[in-house]
Amino acid sequence: QVQLVESGGGVVQPGRSLRLSCAASGFTFNSYAMHWVRQAPGKGLEWVAVISYDGTNKYYADSVKGRFTISRDNSKNTQYLQMNSLRAEDTALYYCARSPELLRRIYYFDYWGQGTLVTVSS
Amino acid sequence: DIQMTQSPSSLSASVGDRVTITCQASQDIRNYLNWYQQKPGKAPKLLIYGASNLEAGVPSRFSGSGSGTDFTFTISSLQTEDIATYYCQQDDNFPYTFGQGTKLEIK
Repeated sequence: QVQLVESGGGVVQPGRSLRLSCAASGFTFNSYAMHWVRQAPGKGLEWVAVISYDGTNKYYADSVKGRFTISRDNSKNTQYLQMNSLRAEDTALYYCARSPELLRRIYYFDYWGQGTLVTVSS
Repeated sequence: DIQMTQSPSSLSASVGDRVTITCQASQDIRNYLNWYQQKPGKAPKLLIYGASNLEAGVPSRFSGSGSGTDFTFTISSLQTEDIATYYCQQDDNFPYTFGQGTKLEIK
């Protein structure tokens, strides 16, 4: 069965960095696009970033562009989110999510992990 | 960016009721509209993709319709296990955007 397991969250001071990981299993990882979606406490869902199946294409939300970097290692079935210059407003539960990708079009989120909590606080 | 406006933001209904949630996009997104269910403390779950396609394993009481800018999500007969927050989301253009959510409660 499809499994996405996030790790790397924690409490970090403003301006510092953190790297999240998402370990995938139960499917052919290098055939799917992968996303990060976050949810601030008590708030709605916010898409953060996506990486295409082969790592060629990456897109970011304006709120994280220039600070966050998405990457993947298809040999390890793992995707990453490097978060630099963290701000209080980055505090959220960060979900890893999978998307079907066909002919370079990336679709809906069909599987989600359980999330890893990032708290940015001094 | 494409803005997704979902209504209502909260809804109280009785078991067996027909429940409808609407989602309006700020521009034409064709049929690139998806619906998710999020129960408290859980990750979101895909219910409907491509505006009207039921994800495998999702009960048939859930349905979606619409195209362009106006979309509808329906639960034909509300069950107690449907208590959750529901989100629409467009995958027509990046950045992908969500509606603000509809919290569904049992009356």
